[in-house]
Amino acid sequence: DIQMTQSPSSVSASVGDRVTITCRASQDITMWLAWYQQKPGTAPKLLIFAASTLQSGVPSRFSGNGSGTNFTLTISSLQPEDFATYYCQQSKSFPYTFGQGTKLEIK
Amino acid sequence: EVQLEESGGGLVQPGGSLGLSCEASGFSFSSYEMSWVRLAAGKGLEWVSYITGGGSVKDYGDSVKGRFTISRDNTKKTLYLQMNSLRAEDTAIYYCARANGWGNFDFWGQGALVTVSS
Repeated sequence: DIQMTQSPSSVSASVGDRVTITCRASQDITMWLAWYQQKPGTAPKLLIFAASTLQSGVPSRFSGNGSGTNFTLTISSLQPEDFATYYCQQSKSFPYTFGQGTKLEIK
Repeated sequence: EVQLEESGGGLVQPGGSLGLSCEASGFSFSSYEMSWVRLAAGKGLEWVSYITGGGSVKDYGDSVKGRFTISRDNTKKTLYLQMNSLRAEDTAIYYCARANGWGNFDFWGQGALVTVSS
């Protein structure tokens, strides 16, 4: 199975800050990487797929980068609605696997 | 508008069985691969199962393989998950999700809570 490791597990930041979350795959997944945002009590929301393609309707302050085993999600200027938990997911091979999550909290 | 609505969650004793349904609307259901994903309290997302649009190919996460069965009825636009031999660690919110061409989940249901407890 492909293991996905996110860092950090949690981060505190302020509105307007730039934040980067990292996801590392245990083997080469080329560009088969997605990012999700989840807020308490709601379903996850797809932000980025194919490592860097912005899902329709997602604000342009979100961006994804990387290929192979190392990936990043960057939020260029944090907005109040961005405080949530973020997950990466590989879809290169079954079983699909998620990272353990990164909780983004207000400083 | 794409909509996915789960039903069938509830409380079940360890070793028991439960079935979930997910009714789809607003898109050509048979054209899409579907999955079940779960979220246990205090833990992260876990992919549970996958099925192709025609239903001929299925796959499962290691923790549920041999106990859970995914299926679909395209005439009813409904996805199913039959869960047998349930364990306390299966307690979670179960989401059905539509997959895009990259195996990522672009639409999700609201979730169904499954609690396994005596």
